Amino acid sequence: GENVEQHPSTLSVQEGDSAVIKCTYSDSASNYFPWYKQELGKRPQLIIDIRSNVGEKKDQRIAVTLNKTAKHFSLHITETQPEDSAVYFCASGGTGNQFYFGTGTSLTVIP
Amino acid sequence: DVKVTQSSRYLVKRTGEKVFLECVQDMDHENMFWYRQDPGLGLRLIYFSYDVKMKEKGDIPEGYSVSREKKERFSLILESASTNQTSMYLCASYSNYGYTFGSGTRLTVV
Repeated sequence: GENVEQHPSTLSVQEGDSAVIKCTYSDSASNYFPWYKQELGKRPQLIIDIRSNVGEKKDQRIAVTLNKTAKHFSLHITETQPEDSAVYFCASGGTGNQFYFGTGTSLTVIP
Repeated sequence: DVKVTQSSRYLVKRTGEKVFLECVQDMDHENMFWYRQDPGLGLRLIYFSYDVKMKEKGDIPEGYSVSREKKERFSLILESASTNQTSMYLCASYSNYGYTFGSGTRLTVV
C-alpha cells in the first residue's frame, strides 16, 4: 500500500515568516494530494489540494507544489499569522478515494 | 455545507464492553471512512465503505467491525473494548472536494 512520510513533525516560525512542510509518497498511481489543517480540539479541514496534472497551486497565502517524478509535495504558507498555528496533515489518494495520511506537523507561529 | 455528525464527543467505557460509534452524513455520499488519530501516528484507516452493506478493511481493522445499513450512517463497533483502543476516532465522508470529517469521538477505555 501507499506510504506517506511528512516532515517536520514540529515547526516554529516567527509571525510574518514562511513555513514549509514536506511530504513524500510511494505509490506512483496516487494522483490527488490534499492538505488538512486541524486546530486544537477541532476536526481536520481541507485547506488546499493538488492533482497530478498540476505542478503548483496557490490560494492567497497558501501554496502547494508537486513533483511527481520525485514523489514529493510541499505546503508553503507565507506571511504566517498566529491563527495559522495548528496541526497540518498531508494526504495521498488515488483509485478508490482512499487517502493515506502523513503523521502531521504541529506548526506554531510565534507573535 | 456537508455535515458529518458523530454522536458522541467523549466516551468512557470499560474493558470488555461492546462500543458503538455512530456517524451520520447528510449529503448522500457513497464513500465513508473511519480513522483513529494517535499522537505521532497521524490518521490511520480502520474501515471504509463505498456503499450500503459494503465494507472494506483499512490498515488497522483488528478489534473493530463496521455496519452500513443505510447510506447516511456508518457505525464503528468495538466488539470487546481494550485499553489500546483508547484514541480519537474520526469519521469522514468523501466527495469530489475531498474528505469532510466529523468532530471526532475521544474514547477512553478503562
